[in-house]
Amino acid sequence: EVQLVESGGDLVQPGGSLRLSCVASGFTFSTYWMHWVRQAPGTGLVCLALINTDGSSTKYADSVKGRFTISRDNAKDTLFLQINSLRPEDTARYYCATAAGHWGRGTLVTVSS
Amino acid sequence: EIVMTQSPATLSVSPGERATLSCRASQSVSSNLAWFQQKPGQAPRLLIYGASTRATGIPARFSGSGSGTEFTLTISSLQSEDFAVYYCQQYIDWWTFGQGTKVEIK
Repeated sequence: EVQLVESGGDLVQPGGSLRLSCVASGFTFSTYWMHWVRQAPGTGLVCLALINTDGSSTKYADSVKGRFTISRDNAKDTLFLQINSLRPEDTARYYCATAAGHWGRGTLVTVSS
Repeated sequence: EIVMTQSPATLSVSPGERATLSCRASQSVSSNLAWFQQKPGQAPRLLIYGASTRATGIPARFSGSGSGTEFTLTISSLQSEDFAVYYCQQYIDWWTFGQGTKVEIK
């Protein structure tokens, strides 16, 4: 069974940083492009970043470019999202997802003083 | 960026009735269109990809159609578990999602 389990979400102050993780199982992680998507409370879905299979190519939404960094460790079947300079508008549930349509349950990031 | 627009925002349907949801792309996405279902507190669940192919385990009452810029998701006979929010997504260029259609009980 395909599983994606996110972790690392927390309550942080504006300007803070977090590193989100997504552990994959049940499929060959190293052969899939991966995405991070977020959903602010009561709103829709926004793709933030994607990474190719070996991590050599990444792309970001304009709203997070320069603050967010996506990376992966294929040896550990794990996807990461480093989030810096957090703003209140970054408050959301963050999901990892495969290009094949599998999603984790998400991890909650709250940015507030 | 390709903008996806869904209509209506809310659809009130009685159990057993047919529901038709629409999605329009700001430019052609060919058949690179997926539909997701999301229930409160849950992750999105893939229903349809390639505009019309049901994902594994999705009941036959869900069907997708369209290509280019106009797409439709049809639920032939709504069951109680189908009341949820539905999102369309294009994946020809980046990923962008529609704002969602909430299917509620009439």
